[in-house]
Amino acid sequence: NAGVTQTPKFQVLKTGQSMTLQCAQDMNHNSMYWYRQDPGMGLRLIYYSASEGTTDKGEVPNGYNVSRLNKREFSLRLESAAPSQTSVYFCASSDGDREAPLHFGNGTRLTVT
Amino acid sequence: QKEVEQNSGPLSVPEGAIASLNCTYSDRGSQSFFWYRQYSGKSPELIMFIYSNGDKEDGRFTAQLNKASQYVSLLIRDSQPSDSATYLCAVSGSARQLTFGSGTQLTVLP
Repeated sequence: NAGVTQTPKFQVLKTGQSMTLQCAQDMNHNSMYWYRQDPGMGLRLIYYSASEGTTDKGEVPNGYNVSRLNKREFSLRLESAAPSQTSVYFCASSDGDREAPLHFGNGTRLTVT
Repeated sequence: QKEVEQNSGPLSVPEGAIASLNCTYSDRGSQSFFWYRQYSGKSPELIMFIYSNGDKEDGRFTAQLNKASQYVSLLIRDSQPSDSATYLCAVSGSARQLTFGSGTQLTVLP
């Protein structure tokens, strides 16, 4: 089992460029999440999808869009990257039950210059 | 005021000692509480979760929850150098979304 797979692992963008971060899980989980982690800020929720076909904004959605392509895949798109979006991005999935833990991918380290 | 607050540390303890990590939260509707461990450059991994007031033990780890005081803690007994990591407190509030604290960096000295 691969668990949660994120691609790419590293990315450097110039201001204004666009890109899509890919995430796939093979655990048949209903819920998927995108977080960003900045030094001293902890993990902050960008968007989440409680089930296939639904997406909702989290704490910091501005500048991002998401697509829940199917039950396995949940992508995060930056339409016009800004230096403030330099961060480590984590995708996660869970069963959605209250006791279900989040399973995290290995992260994408994004730098916007 | 941050919704979930942790002392950022760093917290240093000698090998074999008890490490005590603390977390407070602001949403009184919070129902689920989690502790994640994150090694440098890695993704977070779940250590424990707790829902009811009191203590919950799992091996060398004990989670403690006091909803009246809006306080949750993690005790690590017989600390090992391999426990050196950042510990993230996460709280599931009334919106059922996890809110993470900024983490406490723990160093266990050999």
